[in-house]
Amino acid sequence: DSGVTQTPKHLITATGQRVTLRCSPRSGDLSVYWYQQSLDQGLQFLIQYYNGEERAKGNILERFSAQQFPDLHSELNLSSLELGDSALYFCASSVGQAMYEQFFGPGTRLTVL
Amino acid sequence: QKEVEQDPGPLSVPEGAIVSLNCTYSNSAFQYFMWYRQYSRKGPELLMYTYSSGNKEDGRFTAQVDKSSKYISLFIRDSQPSDSATYLCAMTRGGNQFYFGTGTSLTVIP
Repeated sequence: DSGVTQTPKHLITATGQRVTLRCSPRSGDLSVYWYQQSLDQGLQFLIQYYNGEERAKGNILERFSAQQFPDLHSELNLSSLELGDSALYFCASSVGQAMYEQFFGPGTRLTVL
Repeated sequence: QKEVEQDPGPLSVPEGAIVSLNCTYSNSAFQYFMWYRQYSRKGPELLMYTYSSGNKEDGRFTAQVDKSSKYISLFIRDSQPSDSATYLCAMTRGGNQFYFGTGTSLTVIP
């Protein structure tokens, strides 16, 4: 158990809908990262927040947004969902801003029908 | 060209074998190199990371980085059935981008 928690574990929704994924980092970690993992694309970095501020952006679509709250938990919002958004979404956390020591949560499996 | 290339396998070895997993990369600016292990339907678990070139050992695992060849390796000694998983390499310049390989699926047969 990495200490990173994610909810929900599974989410099934329809195209065009909006969902919110939630992540709580390990105690003491200030950085939160979001990743998407699909069979054909592998693990793709989406975005990083550090202590409430956006720190780095990867291959995140404009339909997706994230934020980190004062208590350091983070939410990833996915809107206008498409079939291709079906994937595992992972959250990771680290103590500082450096990306090389991240600890991953168990993931949220999103299915868009 | 992808930033990081990793042979997806699958790789199947008998228990006790030495396993070699490899990644190549194209960006010479990468400084930190990581190996993650991912069991089916679980999140990736950090095994070890290395800064710049050289070797790092942790128990049965050894990570090697050859920056001149843009090639990194993970060796697993005395492999166990519990090592059966997908192994992902990852790397970063230390800035704001982080790249994963697609993973190599390993099965250790008892």
